[in-house]
Amino acid sequence: DIQMTQSPSTLSASVGDRVTITCRASQSVSSWLAWYQQKPGKAPKLLIYKASSLEGGVPSRFSGSGSGTEFTLTISSLQADDFATYYCQQYYSYSRTFGQGTKVEIK
Amino acid sequence: EVQLVESGGGLVQPGRSLRLSCTASGFTFGDYAMSWVRQAPGKGLEWVSFIRSKPYGETAEYAASVRGRFTISRDDSKSIAYLQMNSLKTEDTAVYYCSRDVKIYGDYKYYYYMDVWGKGTTVTVSS
Repeated sequence: DIQMTQSPSTLSASVGDRVTITCRASQSVSSWLAWYQQKPGKAPKLLIYKASSLEGGVPSRFSGSGSGTEFTLTISSLQADDFATYYCQQYYSYSRTFGQGTKVEIK
Repeated sequence: EVQLVESGGGLVQPGRSLRLSCTASGFTFGDYAMSWVRQAPGKGLEWVSFIRSKPYGETAEYAASVRGRFTISRDDSKSIAYLQMNSLKTEDTAVYYCSRDVKIYGDYKYYYYMDVWGKGTTVTVSS
C-alpha cells in the first residue's frame, strides 16, 4: 500500500495566521490526492480534490498544491471555524490510504 | 439535497456478523460508485471498501485488513449500499462512514474520490 505521511501532527495557530500542512506519499500518486477536514464527532468534509481543485462551496482561503510525492494544503488566513483535523488521501491506488491527520489547534 | 444515512451498527461479540446499510437520497444512486471508511476511537481514517457502479461491473475493492471477511454490495433499486461484516474482531470497532465516489478520467483510467459522506454508524465488537 502507498503510505501517506503528514506533517506536522499538531499545529498551534491564531486566527488570521497563514497555515501550511504537508503530505508526502511513499511513491508517486500523480495529482490524485484529496484533502478533508474533520471536526470532532462529525464526518469528514471534502475540501480539495486532484491536488489543487477546490470543492464547490469551500472558502477560497483553502488551497492545495503539489504533485508526485509532495503536497501542501494552505489556509491563507485561519478562521475560527477552521480549527479541526485535516487529512490527505491518495486515490491513485484502488487501495486508498489516508495520512495520519494534522490537528490545527488554537494557540 | 444529497444525503447518505448509515444504519445497522451496534454491539456485537467477536466472531459474529453484522450488516451495515447506507441509504442514499438526492442523487441518481446508480450513477455513482460507493465506499465505506471507518475510524477507530481516537484514531484516523481508514478506507475499508469500494464498489463500482453497474456500468462498470459492480466490482469491488477491499482493504487488506478486511479482505475475505467483509463484503460490499449495492441495490440500485433501493438506493442502498451494504457492508456485510463477518468474523468480526475487536479491532473492527469503529465509526463506519459511507461515502459517494466521484469518477474522473485521467492517465488512461478512471480515478475515484469521495465527495459526500454520511454521519456514520458505530460498531463495537466486544465480549
